[in-house]
Amino acid sequence: SQKIEQNSEALNIQEGKTATLTCNYTNYSPAYLQWYRQDPGRGPVFLLLIRENEKEKRKERLKVTFDTTLKQSLFHITASQPADSATYLCAPPAGTALIFGKGTTLSVSS
Amino acid sequence: EAQVTQNPRYLITVTGKKLTVTCSQNMNHEYMSWYRQDPGLGLRQIYYSMNVEVTDKGDVPEGYKVSRKEKRNFPLILESPSPNQTSLYFCASSLSPSTSGYTFGSGTRLTVV
Repeated sequence: SQKIEQNSEALNIQEGKTATLTCNYTNYSPAYLQWYRQDPGRGPVFLLLIRENEKEKRKERLKVTFDTTLKQSLFHITASQPADSATYLCAPPAGTALIFGKGTTLSVSS
Repeated sequence: EAQVTQNPRYLITVTGKKLTVTCSQNMNHEYMSWYRQDPGLGLRQIYYSMNVEVTDKGDVPEGYKVSRKEKRNFPLILESPSPNQTSLYFCASSLSPSTSGYTFGSGTRLTVV
């Protein structure tokens, strides 16, 4: 069955550093993958979508890569700030629906 | 303001008492979904809809019903709630998931006693 793994539940970094979060998928080849941010008790907020034919996508301090050979997507936040502290979710499709990884909780300390 | 509105925000109910959680979007989105979120299990899809009168089961549909009679509304119905349906529920909508992300509602925290 299709499986999504975000390889660390928690990531702690210092302000100003680059945070790198990993999403691995197995048993299928999604045509695209989405990334979301979720704050405690609130709904996820869409950040970026990357397609299988795009190696990289950027939005301000965010960058996403998609390696279909490794079956992996990396999510980078450069010059991280305490306000970036949240849980980040990757979400590839399953048919016309989305399946979500369990997320990586990022904590940025000042 | 473009948004997905869920009601109620919080609900405590008793086992077996039918309830409906409403969801409405004002963005003319085709796709709508319901998810539940539980500690350690992440977001799991209950049902989704690709258009009016078109719905399909997600990963955890047991004990739930949905309907999509109008494009803007996608209510979640629990005919006979049980304590294992205590969870945080999210409704979401998208114009097209392959080109744009989902917009999520604020969530409904349901407790079944």
